[in-house]
Amino acid sequence: GENVEQHPSTLSVQEGDSAVIKCTYSDSASNYFPWYKQELGKRPQLIIDIRSNVGEKKDQRIAVTLNKTAKHFSLHITETQPEDSAVYFCAASMGGNEKLTFGTGTRLTIIP
Amino acid sequence: KAGVTQTPRYLIKTRGQQVTLSCSPISGHRSVSWYQQTPGQGLQFLFEYFSETQRNKGNFPGRFSGRQFSNSRSEMNVSTLELGDSALYLCASSWTSPGTDTQYFGPGTRLTVL
Repeated sequence: GENVEQHPSTLSVQEGDSAVIKCTYSDSASNYFPWYKQELGKRPQLIIDIRSNVGEKKDQRIAVTLNKTAKHFSLHITETQPEDSAVYFCAASMGGNEKLTFGTGTRLTIIP
Repeated sequence: KAGVTQTPRYLIKTRGQQVTLSCSPISGHRSVSWYQQTPGQGLQFLFEYFSETQRNKGNFPGRFSGRQFSNSRSEMNVSTLELGDSALYLCASSWTSPGTDTQYFGPGTRLTVL
């Protein structure tokens, strides 16, 4: 089955700097890649997703890039703010009626 | 529109007991997935239900089971509880499939096994 690896497991970034989290997936048939943000004590929430027919997607300070050949995708957060501190999870799916497979998460801390 | 709800929010059980957790999806959503979340392990997929049928299953022992009702509400059951079952159990719903539609999570049920 699908396997998703996520790095780094923890990341500390100075406020205003950029943060990058990377994920690799094993099944080349995967075509849907969402990212979830989980703040302390809260439920995971979708922040951005990308499908395999595009290489990049942006939403304000957040962007996701996808490299299908290398089977990896990355989350980029620019101009980080204290409220960006959270655990971020990447996930992958082969679409259709398939499940989502999640990475193990990255704890991002923004240093004021 | 009301979000995904889970009951109870907290549970304390002892080893050997069994437990049932409940999940009510967003109205109109027909797919419900269950995850186990533990520190360092991320979100481990348990199973997914669609139209009262288990459509996908993760790599958990048979002590973990679930079902879905005709109104899409879902329950999961864990029998013969072990200390290692202590975790946050999250359910999530989507229109038809987490592989294609946005998945919305509930607040989770925190299970502690003593």
